[in-house]
Amino acid sequence: KQEVTQIPAALSVPEGENLVLNCSFTDSAIYNLQWFRQDPGKGLTSLLLIQSSQREQTSGRLNASLDKSSGRSTLYIAASQPGDSATYLCAVETSGSRLTFGEGTQLTVNP
Amino acid sequence: DGGITQSPKYLFRKEGQNVTLSCEQNLNHDAMYWYRQDPGQGLRLIYYSQIVNDFQKGDIAEGYSVSREKKESFPLTVTSAQKNPTAFYLCASSRGVENIQYFGAGTRLSVL
Repeated sequence: KQEVTQIPAALSVPEGENLVLNCSFTDSAIYNLQWFRQDPGKGLTSLLLIQSSQREQTSGRLNASLDKSSGRSTLYIAASQPGDSATYLCAVETSGSRLTFGEGTQLTVNP
Repeated sequence: DGGITQSPKYLFRKEGQNVTLSCEQNLNHDAMYWYRQDPGQGLRLIYYSQIVNDFQKGDIAEGYSVSREKKESFPLTVTSAQKNPTAFYLCASSRGVENIQYFGAGTRLSVL
């Protein structure tokens, strides 16, 4: 059974700092990996999707990497801003278009 | 204005009552999903449907039921058999396999 773990569970940083969120998964037979953002009491917004054949994806200040063989992904956020404060969720897609989610990292960026 | 609409935003269930959560999408997506989120936890898959008139159980389907009579709609019924229904319920859709899932704003269900 696929299991996804995110470290750390919570992170607090000063504005302007670069930061890395980590995601690991137990079964490397994935179709893709997605990073989502969730604001309190809201739905999820997809940030980046990395196909299993890709190594990384970039969108603005966000960069996600994937090392499928070791079961790891990182989300790098450059020059963090208070508006980046949210919970970041990692999810891997396995057969049948099913997503398995990690428990998330709650990020607080302090002005 | 395309997207996924979940209603209601808040819902209260009395003991022994069935309640239905609505999910509608106008994105012309084939696949739709229902997830449950408990505080401080990730999402767990309840049911999903890859095509009209077909759906499969996810990891925690017990106490829930769904239907997919129309491409645009995927309602979730929380039955009285679900003994711990208090949670945040999220609906999502995607074009199909290996595509980005788009999420609704969620329904928060509480038990009276």
